[in-house]
Amino acid sequence: EVQLVESGGGLVQPGGSLRLSCAASGFSFRSYWMHWVRQAPGKGLEWVSRINSYESSTSYADSVQGRFTISRDNAKNTLYLQMSRLRAEDTAIYYCVRGGQYLALDAFDIWGQGTMVTVSS
Amino acid sequence: EIMMTQSPATLSVSPGERVTLSCRASQSVLTNLAWYQQKPGQSPRLLIYGASTRATGVPARFSGSGSGTEFTLTISSLQSEDFAVYYCQQFLEGPLTFGGGTKVGIK
Repeated sequence: EVQLVESGGGLVQPGGSLRLSCAASGFSFRSYWMHWVRQAPGKGLEWVSRINSYESSTSYADSVQGRFTISRDNAKNTLYLQMSRLRAEDTAIYYCVRGGQYLALDAFDIWGQGTMVTVSS
Repeated sequence: EIMMTQSPATLSVSPGERVTLSCRASQSVLTNLAWYQQKPGQSPRLLIYGASTRATGVPARFSGSGSGTEFTLTISSLQSEDFAVYYCQQFLEGPLTFGGGTKVGIK
């Protein structure tokens, strides 16, 4: 079964840091672009970041540029999101998402269950 | 950044009715458009990609159409399990952007 399972969410104070992980299984993880998408409570979907198969290309939303870092370990089939200088507006469910196999820009066909990040004092 | 606008924001429908949801892009995205369904407490699910191609396992009552800046998601006969929020997304250029969603509720 193709699956993405996120972990690492929790409550963090403003200005703090958190690292999210996403364990992939059931497919050739190293062959796909991977993304993070977030959803603030009661709000819509916001793309956060993407990374290519070999970590040679990354991209970020303006709202997180310079504060978040996406990375992956293909040997462990795991995607990461290192979040620093967190703000209240970063509070959201963070989804790990599978993108295209060859294209940086493609539809998202597999979504994880999400992990909640709450930034509050 | 390409802005995606969905209408209406909410829709009240009876089971069995035909439903049409709209999505407009601020500039042409050709057919680089996807639709997602999100039920309460669940992750989004891909329904349509390439504006009109159903994803694996998606029932035939869901269909997508359009190109350029105007797109439509149609549910031919709404079933009880279709009550959800629907999002469109463009993937022509970064940043990838989503519409604000249309909530389909029970009349």
